[in-house]
Amino acid sequence: DIQMTQSPSSLSASVGDRVTITCQASQDISNYLNWYQQKPGKAPKLLIYDASNLETGVPSRFSGSRSGTDFAFTISGLQPEDIATYYCQQYDGLPVTFGQGTRLEIK
Amino acid sequence: EVQLVESGGGLVQPGGSLRLSCAASGFTFSSYWIHWVRQGPGKGLVWVSRINTDGSSTSYADSVKGRFTISRDNAKKTLYLQMNSLRAEDTAVYYCARVRGTYRSGGGFDPWGQGTLVTVSS
Repeated sequence: DIQMTQSPSSLSASVGDRVTITCQASQDISNYLNWYQQKPGKAPKLLIYDASNLETGVPSRFSGSRSGTDFAFTISGLQPEDIATYYCQQYDGLPVTFGQGTRLEIK
Repeated sequence: EVQLVESGGGLVQPGGSLRLSCAASGFTFSSYWIHWVRQGPGKGLVWVSRINTDGSSTSYADSVKGRFTISRDNAKKTLYLQMNSLRAEDTAVYYCARVRGTYRSGGGFDPWGQGTLVTVSS
């Protein structure tokens, strides 16, 4: 199975901050990496697909990038409504696997 | 509106069975691969199963292989997950999720259903 190592597991930041979450794949997964936001009691929501593509309707302060097997998810200018848990997900091979999640809190 | 709505969750004893349904609306159901993903209480997301557009190809996580069966009825625009020999560790919210893009086996999952809670306990 392809392991996705996501860090940090939790993060506290202030409104307006730039926040970065990373995921490292255990092997080459090309760009087959997505990022999701999950708010408490809600289903996950797709934000970034194929490493760096912004899903329709998602604010442009969210972005994604790739460097080899390392992937980064960035919020440029944290907003109060961004409080959530964020997950990366690879779909290069089965089983599809998710990172452990990053819980984002407002400082 | 593109929508998936799960149903069928509930409390079941260990060793019991349950069938989940996922009703689709707002899109051409038969053109999309669909996945099941679960989330245990306070836990992360775990992939369970997937099915292709006509139901002829299915895949499962090792943890459910031989116990769970995914299927679909394109005429009814509904996805199913038959769960047998349930264990306590199967307790979770179960989500169905559509693959972004027609006829793609993989990709971003969008949208997701609201989830249905399965509790396995005596």
